[in-house]
Amino acid sequence: GNSVTQMEGPVTLSEEAFLTINCTYTATGYPSLFWYVQYPGEGLQLLLKATKADDKGSNKGFEATYRKETTSFHLEKGSVQVSDSAVYFCALSGRSSGGSNYKLTFGKGTLLTVNP
Amino acid sequence: DGGITQSPKYLFRKEGQNVTLSCEQNLNHDAMYWYRQDPGQGLRLIYYSQIVNDFQKGDIAEGYSVSREKKESFPLTVTSAQKNPTAFYLCASRPQSGINYEQYFGPGTRLTVT
Repeated sequence: GNSVTQMEGPVTLSEEAFLTINCTYTATGYPSLFWYVQYPGEGLQLLLKATKADDKGSNKGFEATYRKETTSFHLEKGSVQVSDSAVYFCALSGRSSGGSNYKLTFGKGTLLTVNP
Repeated sequence: DGGITQSPKYLFRKEGQNVTLSCEQNLNHDAMYWYRQDPGQGLRLIYYSQIVNDFQKGDIAEGYSVSREKKESFPLTVTSAQKNPTAFYLCASRPQSGINYEQYFGPGTRLTVT
């Protein structure tokens, strides 16, 4: 079945540091890949997505490239801010086993704390 | 503004009581989903519905029930059979079936059962 593995947190950085959160996946076929962000006490918001190999998703200074050869979708940001403190989830959208329905499969989330 | 509404934000119940969580969307989305979130566990799918009057079990459906009588509404009932109901519950919707479409999430309901 489909699965997503992302680096365990928590990750603590100083403001303006470089951020990488690793994400690798296992899926049949050609999934779409997503990064979601969750601020404390809130629902998830889509941060960026990529729908085919070599696509780069980007938003608010965050980037991730869909690497089919390494089955990865690592999240990066060149200079983090205190306001980036949140939980980040990697997810894939793939066909469920034996069916025609598409479901999201999530990683366990990575808590990022950025200190001033 | 279009979006997904979940109410209430916080819900408290005594053990042995059923409780229904509300989820409403005005995005005209066909598909709707319920997830449970526990600390360190990520999100786990409870139930989903691709169309009105139809729904399927997700990965952890035991102790939960849903209905989809209207396109915009997908209420979740947490029954007394659910062993550990205390959790953060998230509702989501999606425009249509298809691999490229992301899910849109509501603000969540935190349920505490004592």
